[in-house]
Amino acid sequence: AQSVTQLGSHVSVSEGALVLLRCNYSSSVPPYLFWYVQYPNQGLQLLLKYTSAATLVKGINGFEAEFKKSETSFHLTKPSAHMSDAAEYFCAVRASGNTPLVFGKGTRLSVIA
Amino acid sequence: GAVVSQHPSWVICKSGTSVKIECRSLDFQATTMFWYRQFPKQSLMLMATSNEGSKATYEQGVEKDKFLINHASLTLSTLTVTSAHPEDSSFYICSAPGTENYEQYFGPGTRLTVT
Repeated sequence: AQSVTQLGSHVSVSEGALVLLRCNYSSSVPPYLFWYVQYPNQGLQLLLKYTSAATLVKGINGFEAEFKKSETSFHLTKPSAHMSDAAEYFCAVRASGNTPLVFGKGTRLSVIA
Repeated sequence: GAVVSQHPSWVICKSGTSVKIECRSLDFQATTMFWYRQFPKQSLMLMATSNEGSKATYEQGVEKDKFLINHASLTLSTLTVTSAHPEDSSFYICSAPGTENYEQYFGPGTRLTVT
């Protein structure tokens, strides 16, 4: 079975500072990993995905994530936080085949001016 | 990219009534769709897997008689919340698997409020 653990339910950073949101996965098969962002009262928006190609994945809005098999991690980073990055972020995992995504509990990112 | 729509985007109903939520894949066919529920400030929890032409598969703890799922065609799945109660108030999101890179395409969600 697949699962993800997001460390830290709430992360607060200053505008312009590094954003680091942590995600560790558990999977019995090579996983497909995703990061989604959700703004208040809106649906999910895909930030980036890992599908066993490059281990460093670049996404939208300046975000990127690195797949580290040895650490079973897929942490999300952004060099410089912007006020508009304040939102809820979800890490998710999916096994191969026609299976649903399994989501982490989410991390709320606050950006302080 | 592939688009999934949901209707309605929000609905308010009275306790005891039933509400139907539609999930459509607009430019691709989906033999499988997934229904998630999200309570305020919580994550998405899978409720059920909708299969075209067969019965839905429900996750443990989800009442199949309360949450009726019908996958009527290759582009439409519906979720009917029967005899709704205030505790059913939630954000319901559907998704459909893509054909590449094991991605899922999510609908915009339906916010249900039961008064």
